[in-house]
Amino acid sequence: QKEVEQNSGPLSVPEGAIASLNCTYSDRVSQSFFWYRQYSGKSPELIMSIYSNGDKEDGRFTAQLNKASQYVSLLIRDSQPSDSATYLCAVRNNAGNMLTFGGGTRLMVKP
Amino acid sequence: DAGVIQSPRHEVTEMGQEVTLRCKPISGHNSLFWYRQTMMRGLELLIYFNNNVPIDDSGMPEDRFSAKMPNASFSTLKIQPSEPRDSAVYFCASSLALRYEQYFGPGTRLTVT
Repeated sequence: QKEVEQNSGPLSVPEGAIASLNCTYSDRVSQSFFWYRQYSGKSPELIMSIYSNGDKEDGRFTAQLNKASQYVSLLIRDSQPSDSATYLCAVRNNAGNMLTFGGGTRLMVKP
Repeated sequence: DAGVIQSPRHEVTEMGQEVTLRCKPISGHNSLFWYRQTMMRGLELLIYFNNNVPIDDSGMPEDRFSAKMPNASFSTLKIQPSEPRDSAVYFCASSLALRYEQYFGPGTRLTVT
């Protein structure tokens, strides 16, 4: 079992819809969670971090964390074609300093 | 403010040659991370430094790989000798401290023929 798992996609949504990206992790003591966006040929760009159970909103982005279910998600409201990218979930446990990345989910927003 | 700077952006070399990748972290950041990204293996951490000291190099694939951080504003990742399977995009990232958010540089695309 991979430490951080994501559906590779592609996830295709129409413009204006809500895109829901999911990530599960295996280490129960994980404490910090991050979402990165990576456009093709570019570097990962940090878009959200979440540390506590519940929702965290930033503009059109909402990160949701459920530590009991070992599940973190990213919702993108009013999806735009410019949101088309690969979204990487990253997890850091309480003991370590390293991030473990999932394989990423490719999102396609169709006009 | 300038982000993480990496050079070169592209490197094409022949098998057996030495390759040196360079990174300048964000000013004031004390932690620096080297990653490698391939289609097959995704994004993998190779080594990281805190206050210029290597903390964990367990991700370095072989002895052919080495990394240094002689001062707070410069790090190198060296591959000697290079092999075709080293072809990948190598990213450097920095953070204010070990458990803070990491910010990535633009990467170096390495092709070993």
